[in-house]
Amino acid sequence: EPEVTQTPSHQVTQMGQEVILRCVPISNHLYFYWYRQILGQKVEFLVSFYNNEISEKSEIFDDQFSVERPDGSNFTLKIRSTKLEDSAMYFCASSPSYGYTFGSGTRLTVV
Amino acid sequence: GESVGLHLPTLSVQEGDNSIINCAYSNSASDYFIWYKQESGKGPQFIIDIRSNMDKRQGQRVTVLLNKTVKHLSLQIAATQPGDSAVYFCAERMATGRRALTFGSGTRLQVQP
Repeated sequence: EPEVTQTPSHQVTQMGQEVILRCVPISNHLYFYWYRQILGQKVEFLVSFYNNEISEKSEIFDDQFSVERPDGSNFTLKIRSTKLEDSAMYFCASSPSYGYTFGSGTRLTVV
Repeated sequence: GESVGLHLPTLSVQEGDNSIINCAYSNSASDYFIWYKQESGKGPQFIIDIRSNMDKRQGQRVTVLLNKTVKHLSLQIAATQPGDSAVYFCAERMATGRRALTFGSGTRLQVQP
């Protein structure tokens, strides 16, 4: 069964550093997403990406965040200057139209 | 992804019993709903979905019911197994043309062998 693959599974970074989280969506999917889940809280939408541009973003997705599809397979989330409150599980997802498939996540710990 | 710290409602059932997990959604304009299962340390795993023009959909051992009048969604799991133990989330997509999913708080299902 096709999977959404995320790397790394766990990233520890110092406050103020830049991090890039990587995702390989399912190959024939058209829509790509990033969500996050702070420990003990709900899964929250960050951004959706379609046709090489952001189609929707939440209030959380401020100027510190950016997304990119640098080639035909990867989809990345960059946090420019990490803060302690960015510590969370970050999930990538993709969908054809209906039916969103999530990856296993990257646990980001900002120290 | 373990929901430590969030006081989740918990449903405890015996193996072999049927489980019903409920969800109240927020937006009457939502057009698409999904149930996800999340095990500790893993991402949300798709279980079943339903569009707003339907009121019931069945999968393998699972059924989703949608009541738009009261904005209520339920997930029924038949013959619950220990492997069904997880946190279950409903998610809604708020309007046609939008892509973002809004997740509920979740319910922890504990299956006693």
